[in-house]
Amino acid sequence: EVQLEESGGGLGQPGGSLRLSCAASGTLFSNYGMTWVRQAPGKGLEWLSYIDSFGGTVYYADSVKGRFTISRDSAKKSLYLQMNSLRVEDTAVYHCATVPSGRYYGDNWGPGTLVTVSS
Amino acid sequence: QSVLTQPPSVSGAPGQRVTISCTGSSSNIGAPYDVNWYQHLPGTAPKLLIYDNNYRPSGVPDRFSGSKSGTSASLAIAGLQAEDEADYYCQSYDNSLGGGVFGGGTKVTVL
Repeated sequence: EVQLEESGGGLGQPGGSLRLSCAASGTLFSNYGMTWVRQAPGKGLEWLSYIDSFGGTVYYADSVKGRFTISRDSAKKSLYLQMNSLRVEDTAVYHCATVPSGRYYGDNWGPGTLVTVSS
Repeated sequence: QSVLTQPPSVSGAPGQRVTISCTGSSSNIGAPYDVNWYQHLPGTAPKLLIYDNNYRPSGVPDRFSGSKSGTSASLAIAGLQAEDEADYYCQSYDNSLGGGVFGGGTKVTVL
């Protein structure tokens, strides 16, 4: 069983930056692709970003492309999301999830961390 | 506007069967890419219910089943229980976007 825990959320300023982390335990972290998904208040889930197990393939939704950067550190069993040029519409709960190799679904999820962007 | 289309809500009495539809296009479900389903209570971790169209992860009751045909998919919940009240999302891959896509979500209410 995989356990994931996100951290790094909080209040960010419009135009500012935040860095989210996702710590994994109980798994061979390096075997999994990883993804970030968010849910804005009153909205549905949005697939934001993906990184494969090697860190060589990444994907970004158009809504965050050029502003957010996904990365991973297999030695630390951690996933990151560097969020720059924050916008009010980035306010959401951010979840990380493991993605089995060659698949496009999240099979283990963290409870999420809340990011609020406001001046 | 979500890439995959779901009804906003469905409801049923305890013990009834409800279905949730998920309609996509030739660049996702019809490509054909597999469809996955999640159960989510806001503020908690989403839970994978169905993967690869019709497979259940260990621990998911067999009351939940998935199917896919053409550019659409559906999730069925048989023997509806009060604990099934939640939001349900379909998800697939879209080759024109190059990543995962979700439906807008369906709220299931147990009457």
